[in-house]
Amino acid sequence: EPEVTQTPSHQVTQMGQEVILRCVPISNHLYFYWYRQILGQKVEFLVSFYNNEISEKSEIFDDQFSVERPDGSNFTLKIRSTKLEDSAMYFCASRPTSGSHNEQFFGPGTRLTVL
Amino acid sequence: GNSVTQMEGPVTLSEEAFLTINCTYTATGYPSLFWYVQYPGEGLQLLLKATKADDKGSNKGFEATYRKETTSFHLEKGSVQVSDSAVYFCALSVVGGGTSYGKLTFGQGTILTVHP
Repeated sequence: EPEVTQTPSHQVTQMGQEVILRCVPISNHLYFYWYRQILGQKVEFLVSFYNNEISEKSEIFDDQFSVERPDGSNFTLKIRSTKLEDSAMYFCASRPTSGSHNEQFFGPGTRLTVL
Repeated sequence: GNSVTQMEGPVTLSEEAFLTINCTYTATGYPSLFWYVQYPGEGLQLLLKATKADDKGSNKGFEATYRKETTSFHLEKGSVQVSDSAVYFCALSVVGGGTSYGKLTFGQGTILTVHP
């Protein structure tokens, strides 16, 4: 069964460093999302991406964040200058265009630890 | 805006007990409703969904009915197992109108622990 994959599973970085989190969505999906989950808190929407551009973003997704689909398969989330409060689990998700009534398929997540 | 409220947790039950996790929502537009489950150390998995009023979603013995009149989508299971121990998230999504691209709005999650 097709699945969303994410790498790395765990990323440790120093405050102020740039990180890139990588995702490979399911191949025939066209809508892509990033969410984050700070430890013990709810899952929060960051950004959605469709037709090679951001379609919606939350207040969390400020100028320090960016997304890209560089090669038609990978979908990346970049944090330019990490802060301690960026420590969280980051989930990628994808959705096909029709037939699933908004069902999103999630990857296993990347745990980001900012020291 | 959209929001989802789940019952306070955690919930601790004995095996074969009846489970209810309450979920209520507010939404602009006509949402689809979901329950996602997160097992320890894993990502989010769709448990069940309902896309219109009075629909009942079901999977693995879990059920939830989309109640538009009470804006609720409570999760139930008649007899829980130890393997059901996980975090359960209620969520909604609204698509359409040119302003929403299907983002999920989650509740705060309910930790379920089932003892033998």
